[in-house]
Amino acid sequence: GQNIDQPTEMTATEGAIVQINCTYQTSGFNGLFWYQQHAGEAPTFLSYNVLDGLEEKGRFSSFLSRSKGYSYLLLKELQMKDSASYLCAVPSGNTPLVFGKGTRLSVIA
Amino acid sequence: EAQVTQNPRYLITVTGKKLTVTCSQNMNHEYMSWYRQDPGLGLRQIYYSMNVEVTDKGDVPEGYKVSRKEKRNFPLILESPSPNQTSLYFCASSPRTGLNYGYTFGSGTRLTVV
Repeated sequence: GQNIDQPTEMTATEGAIVQINCTYQTSGFNGLFWYQQHAGEAPTFLSYNVLDGLEEKGRFSSFLSRSKGYSYLLLKELQMKDSASYLCAVPSGNTPLVFGKGTRLSVIA
Repeated sequence: EAQVTQNPRYLITVTGKKLTVTCSQNMNHEYMSWYRQDPGLGLRQIYYSMNVEVTDKGDVPEGYKVSRKEKRNFPLILESPSPNQTSLYFCASSPRTGLNYGYTFGSGTRLTVV
């Protein structure tokens, strides 16, 4: 089975950089996803990593280390609208994505 | 517009009264899935389907039924709802290939069972 761990809550200041970590254990690795979810809304896709290293996409970057079972999402130049939950997820064979419980990020002025 | 459509968005019902939450996608996706989301527990899989007439249980299937008679539709059925099924429900779909696109989610259905 899968086991995914991420911090429950984080707080950061507008304009700053924040790193949200995710550790996972999975039988058979098929990549790792990050989703953003605003309160009461559907999750939306942010990134997908299948190879080790950093993938940059605008203000958001995602890093993966398969040997360590570790990923992080890096958010730069934080804006108030970045206040949301960030979900780490891994596929498992033919089953749907398995999600971590999410990290609730609060951006303060 | 490519999307997953769930209905209704909000529903309040009474214990034991059968209900169906509909889900439809227009992207010709093969995979479809239902999740429920509860505070502190995150998104948990209820049922999923890899193709027409193929369905499997997820992590929390008790009290739910699904069917996949057509590729585009994947309704979630609660035969006898109970208050512990009060939750936020999401339907999602994904192409068979192209894992890097992950899942597209519907807007969610907030269900309250009293």
